[in-house]
Amino acid sequence: DGGITQSPKYLFRKEGQNVTLSCEQNLNHDAMYWYRQDPGQGLRLIYYSQIVNDFQKGDIAEGYSVSREKKESFPLTVTSAQKNPTAFYLCASSISGGEWDEQFFGPGTRLTVL
Amino acid sequence: AQSVTQLGSHVSVSEGALVLLRCNYSSSVPPYLFWYVQYPNQGLQLLLKYTSAATLVKGINGFEAEFKKSETSFHLTKPSAHMSDAAEYFCAVSGSGGGADGLTFGKGTHLIIQP
Repeated sequence: DGGITQSPKYLFRKEGQNVTLSCEQNLNHDAMYWYRQDPGQGLRLIYYSQIVNDFQKGDIAEGYSVSREKKESFPLTVTSAQKNPTAFYLCASSISGGEWDEQFFGPGTRLTVL
Repeated sequence: AQSVTQLGSHVSVSEGALVLLRCNYSSSVPPYLFWYVQYPNQGLQLLLKYTSAATLVKGINGFEAEFKKSETSFHLTKPSAHMSDAAEYFCAVSGSGGGADGLTFGKGTHLIIQP
């Protein structure tokens, strides 16, 4: 079965800690994305990547970092610099990154800062 | 810059009634428009998309949407609501003219189905 997996489903972090959220896809898609979802806010773009070893900041990149060393993987690190990291994080991918392409979403990771 | 406005954070309809979820967009270039559905604690699933081929777009689960350029709207409809339609619905736009830089989402509309 092709799809996007995110792990863990739930993540708890103490203030001051960095945490890394995993995102893997076996759809052979070139483009991958990270979004943050807060209640009543919709989804906001954190980072995106169209090809391996290249990525761009989205609208709310401050306090986050990513890497794209493999086509199928796009991990997101939430650093201690992120002031309010508690949120639902969604990873997505699309075939070529074209503006008309459908984005496929993973099941999400819910991060809670204690 | 693109933006999406979804009118009504919550919409309540009776089972069997018409569903209408409103979406207006702002874009300086011809847009690509999408409707996604999200069930609690899950990812998003595409319902339908507009890519300029036809102004009336049919999607999954009996939903459809009509692109109206003059009104900058892309409202989502379903003739008869079912209990399983209860979910969060998001309208999104892309097409900044600068290549793939992600989708711009509306804030979502929570659809409630009354028995």
